[in-house]
Amino acid sequence: DTAVSQTPKYLVTQMGNDKSIKCEQNLGHDTMYWYKQDSKKFLKIMFSYNNKELIINETVPNRFSPKSPDKAHLNLHINSLELGDSAVYFCASSPNGLGLAGIYNEQFFGPGTRLTVL
Amino acid sequence: AQKVTQAQTEISVVEKEDVTLDCVYETRDTTYYLFWYKQPPSGELVFLIRRNSFDEQNEISGRYSWNFQKSTSSFNFTITASQVVDSAVYFCALSEGSSNTGKLIFGQGTTLQVKP
Repeated sequence: DTAVSQTPKYLVTQMGNDKSIKCEQNLGHDTMYWYKQDSKKFLKIMFSYNNKELIINETVPNRFSPKSPDKAHLNLHINSLELGDSAVYFCASSPNGLGLAGIYNEQFFGPGTRLTVL
Repeated sequence: AQKVTQAQTEISVVEKEDVTLDCVYETRDTTYYLFWYKQPPSGELVFLIRRNSFDEQNEISGRYSWNFQKSTSSFNFTITASQVVDSAVYFCALSEGSSNTGKLIFGQGTTLQVKP
C-alpha cells in the first residue's frame, strides 16, 4: 500500500542514452511533482502536473520531458543523458493547492531514484 | 525573490543534548507556507510540519518544537533530548500562496549528527 512509488530505485547508464523514471501515487492526489537532488543534497523543483496539465516547468534542459498519462502517474523521460544529470530524482504528490481549511497541503515524496551516468 | 537559507551546514551533538536548526526565509507574499522535512540516511523525505503565514503559534510535537517568528522571517526547529535516530538531513521549505502551484523552495539542508 505504498503511497508514492518510483521505479527504478537505481539507474546506472552510459552517457548519451535515453532513460525513463516512472512515478505512481495511490493517494488520489491531483498534483504531482519532480524534484532533483544534487550531490550536495540541494533539492530543486523541475516540473509539476495538476490533473494532467503542466503547471510548473522550471529552467530544465529540454532533454527532460515529463509525461502524465493520468493524474496518478507522472513519468520523467531524459534524452541524451549527460554526466551532470547524475542525481537523485524525487517524485511527490499533494492534494490541490488549497485544502478545505485553507491550509496548504504538504507533499508526499517517493523513495527517490538514484541516477548515475557513466 | 523567494529564498530559504539554512546557514548551518552541519551540526554535531551528543545524545540528549538539545539542538536548534535555523531557517530564514524571504518572500514578498503575505500568504505563504513553511515546511520542515527530514531525510534520514535511508534517503526518503519525511514530512514533519507545515505552518501558514497567518498562524504564528509555536508548535510542539513530542521532542520536536517549532518557533515561527514573522518579524525575523524565521522558522526554527528544536529537538529536545536528541537521540541517535534523529541523525538526518533536515530541510526547511517555503511555498508561496501566489504561485498556487505548490512549488516548494528548499533550503540547503542541515546535516544533524547525533553521537551516542
